[in-house]
Amino acid sequence: EAGVTQSPTHLIKTRGQQATLRCSPISGHTSVYWYQQALGLGLQFLLWYDEGEERNRGNFPPRFSGRQFPNYSSELNVNALELEDSALYLCASSPGIRRESEQYFGPGTRLTVT
Amino acid sequence: GESVGLHLPTLSVQEGDNSIINCAYSNSASDYFIWYKQESGKGPQFIIDIRSNMDKRQGQRVTVLLNKTVKHLSLQIAATQPGDSAVYFCAETEEYGNKLVFGAGTILRVKS
Repeated sequence: EAGVTQSPTHLIKTRGQQATLRCSPISGHTSVYWYQQALGLGLQFLLWYDEGEERNRGNFPPRFSGRQFPNYSSELNVNALELEDSALYLCASSPGIRRESEQYFGPGTRLTVT
Repeated sequence: GESVGLHLPTLSVQEGDNSIINCAYSNSASDYFIWYKQESGKGPQFIIDIRSNMDKRQGQRVTVLLNKTVKHLSLQIAATQPGDSAVYFCAETEEYGNKLVFGAGTILRVKS
């Protein structure tokens, strides 16, 4: 069974640009979560999507947004990039609401903002 | 997001010894807890979970203990091996698919 996949592996952008990160969940999983892991910090919850809808959002500015597609894959968009957005962005998936909460993580996308 | 420290605590153990990694959680409404292992350059990997109606759960070489009274979680690794070297995170959530709130993480270094 394929795990959670993310693309690209690395992404280098300059301040003010936009970044788009992609995630494909485990087959059969309907929930997708996004987390930010900045260097030296723990994982910070960004967004949770289930069945195409945004279910919860972490304490991040509106320039962090995303969506979930009918096939349950997801995109994370970061507009007006700032230097402090440099981090490892992790996607996780789970079977969905009212099912097991265990989240399976992908390898992450390393975003570097220069 | 929640603030966590820049310097992760480090636990150094000798190969073959037992390791105990501790975690304090904050939300008394949390009813599901997970331990993750994160190796360098990889995403977190599930180790073991426990629900709030339990105080102990055992896996292969790992045991999780939950003390709801003092909101404390621990991970015990038996016969620690070099491959166990990683950062370990505890995570808490309210039931069913809500966001995970991660602890700051503990670095485990295994000396051969």
